[in-house]
Amino acid sequence: EAGVTQFPSHSVIEKGQTVTLRCDPISGHDNLYWYRRVMGKEIKFLLHFVKESKQDESGMPNNRFLAERTGGTYSTLKVQPAELEDSGVYFCASRGGLEPEKLFFGSGTQLSVL
Amino acid sequence: AQSVAQPEDQVNVAEGNPLTVKCTYSVSGNPYLFWYVQYPNRGLQFLLKYITGDNLVKGSYGFEAEFNKSQTSFHLKKPSALVSDSALYFCAVRDGGATNKLIFGTGTLLAVQP
Repeated sequence: EAGVTQFPSHSVIEKGQTVTLRCDPISGHDNLYWYRRVMGKEIKFLLHFVKESKQDESGMPNNRFLAERTGGTYSTLKVQPAELEDSGVYFCASRGGLEPEKLFFGSGTQLSVL
Repeated sequence: AQSVAQPEDQVNVAEGNPLTVKCTYSVSGNPYLFWYVQYPNRGLQFLLKYITGDNLVKGSYGFEAEFNKSQTSFHLKKPSALVSDSALYFCAVRDGGATNKLIFGTGTLLAVQP
């Protein structure tokens, strides 16, 4: 079974540019989460999809962040325009199937905004 | 609001010695507690969970955790550390409500010396 995949693994951009992160959850998982870890801090919740619907986006920092999950499969997280404080590791996780309590994480996207 | 605290940024232990990684929690209601591990360049992996029942929970790779309600703690333990256990460990509590999102601690880096 394929795990959660994220692309790209690393992204280095300049302040003011746009970056789009992609997450492919485990097939059949209706629940998809985005998290972010800033250096040395806790892993913070950003938002939660159930299929294509946003269930909770209370963790999104501001309106420069836009997440989509068209068709309820893969998801994208776009940052536009990027600021220095957006740097960090962005994790995607999915949940569902036979182990509903367990979150399965991708390897993350390391975003560096210079 | 639900929260967890990991008081140690790093734990150092010699191979073969027992290890403990500490976690305390603050929740309203019954806690659903988790431990995840992140190896270098990998996503977070589920280790174990406490939902209800026996206070000693056994998980992957020989790890276990002890739920202590009076001390609001959920420390991760292993009787004999391996060098390959060196990784970043995160404690988490499940938030209530429809999202079932996890609230993570800041992480503890475990370094096992040969």
